[in-house]
Amino acid sequence: QVHLVESGGGVVQPGRSLRLSCAASGFTFSSYVMHWVRQAPGKGLEWVAVIWFDGSEKYYADSVKGRFTISRDNSKNTLYLQMNSLRAEDTAVFYCARGRPYDLGYWGQGTLVTVSS
Amino acid sequence: QSVLTQPPSVSAAPGQKVTISCSGSSSNIGNNYVSWYQQLPGTAPKLLIYDNNKRPSGIPDRFSGSKSGTSATLGITGLQTGDEADYYCGTWDSSLSAGFFGTGTKVTVL
Repeated sequence: QVHLVESGGGVVQPGRSLRLSCAASGFTFSSYVMHWVRQAPGKGLEWVAVIWFDGSEKYYADSVKGRFTISRDNSKNTLYLQMNSLRAEDTAVFYCARGRPYDLGYWGQGTLVTVSS
Repeated sequence: QSVLTQPPSVSAAPGQKVTISCSGSSSNIGNNYVSWYQQLPGTAPKLLIYDNNKRPSGIPDRFSGSKSGTSATLGITGLQTGDEADYYCGTWDSSLSAGFFGTGTKVTVL
């Protein structure tokens, strides 16, 4: 069965960087578009970024453009989110999700990122 | 700031029906498929409806979706206490080249 497991979250100071990973299993990873979605504490869902099957296309929410980079390693069945210049407002649970391409049929359990001094 | 607007909350008694609206524009709902997600407290979201009105396997037919113009609607019939959750619509915006979720609707079973 499809399994997505995020890791890499934690507490980080404002202005620092963090890289999230999402390990995928149970499906042909290279055949699917992958997304990152976040949810600030007590708030709604916010779409963050998407990457095409082969990494050829990437799109970002305006709130993270220029600071976050989505990437994937199809040989390792792993999705990444490099987050630079982190701000307090980036504090959230980050989910990876499998896209088809724009409906998200499978989600990971999420990893919490807390940006605080 | 989301480009998709939902009512903050809806409620009904067990066994009744609720509908949740999702209002957008021609660049998102008007020209792309809409999906709906259920998020139970403390859990990851789950896909309920895709391609406007299709249900993934395992989703009961009490849940239905529709789209008309720049709006979409999720319907839940035979409301159960287990349906208490937050519900979000989602779609792609072709002009902004970005994905969006609706503002979210909390369903309460009275």
